[in-house]
Amino acid sequence: GDSVTQMEGPVTLSEEAFLTINCTYTATGYPSLFWYVQYPGEGLQLLLKATKADDKGSNKGFEATYRKETTSFHLEKGSVQVSDSAVYFCALSDRHGNQFYFGTGTSLTVIP
Amino acid sequence: DVKVTQSSRYLVKRTGEKVFLECVQDMDHENMFWYRQDPGLGLRLIYFSYDVKMKEKGDIPEGYSVSREKKERFSLILESASTNQTSMYLCASSSRYLSTHVKEKLFFGSGTQLSVL
Repeated sequence: GDSVTQMEGPVTLSEEAFLTINCTYTATGYPSLFWYVQYPGEGLQLLLKATKADDKGSNKGFEATYRKETTSFHLEKGSVQVSDSAVYFCALSDRHGNQFYFGTGTSLTVIP
Repeated sequence: DVKVTQSSRYLVKRTGEKVFLECVQDMDHENMFWYRQDPGLGLRLIYFSYDVKMKEKGDIPEGYSVSREKKERFSLILESASTNQTSMYLCASSSRYLSTHVKEKLFFGSGTQLSVL
C-alpha cells in the first residue's frame, strides 16, 4: 500500500543553517505530496504541496520538489530561524484526495 | 477563514469511562478523519468518513467507534477508556470534489490531548 518514510529526528540546527529533511514515498498511481508543520501546542498546518512530477512547492522560504524518478520530496530551507522550530510531517494523498498517508514526523529545533 | 474545531484542548478521564471527542468543520467538507499522534509513531488513522452516516476503519480502529449524523460533525468515541489510549487526537477534513486550489488538502483541528488515568 501507499506509505511515506521520512528522516528521523530530532534535528538541531543553529540559526541561519541549511536544512534538509528527507522524505521518500511508495504509491500507486499519481499521488499528491505535502509537507505539514506542527508548531508547539497546535494542530498541523499545510506548509507546501506539489501535485505532479517535477512540481516545486514553496512557502515561507521552504521548498520541496516532487521527484518521481527517485520517489522523493525532500524539504529544504537555505537559512533557518528560531521560529521554524516545529515538527515537520511529509504526507501523500491518493489521486482523488480522499486518503492521506503521513510520515512519522521530524522534530526541528533551531538555536540562536 | 476555514476552520476545524475540536471541542476540548485537554481532557482527563479515568480508566473504563466512556469518552466523546467532538469535531466540527465549517467548510462543508465531505471527508472527515480522526488520527492519533504519538511520539515516534507520527499520525495513525483511526477512522474516517466520506459522507453522513458513513464510516470506514483506518489502521488502528480497535477500542474506538465514530458517529457522523451530520455532515459538519464527526465524533470519536472511546467505549471504555484505557491508559494506552492516552494520546493527542487530531481531527481533519477535506473536500472530495475537484478544485485545483482546495482539493487534496487536509485541514486540521488544534487537537485534543487526552490523558487516561
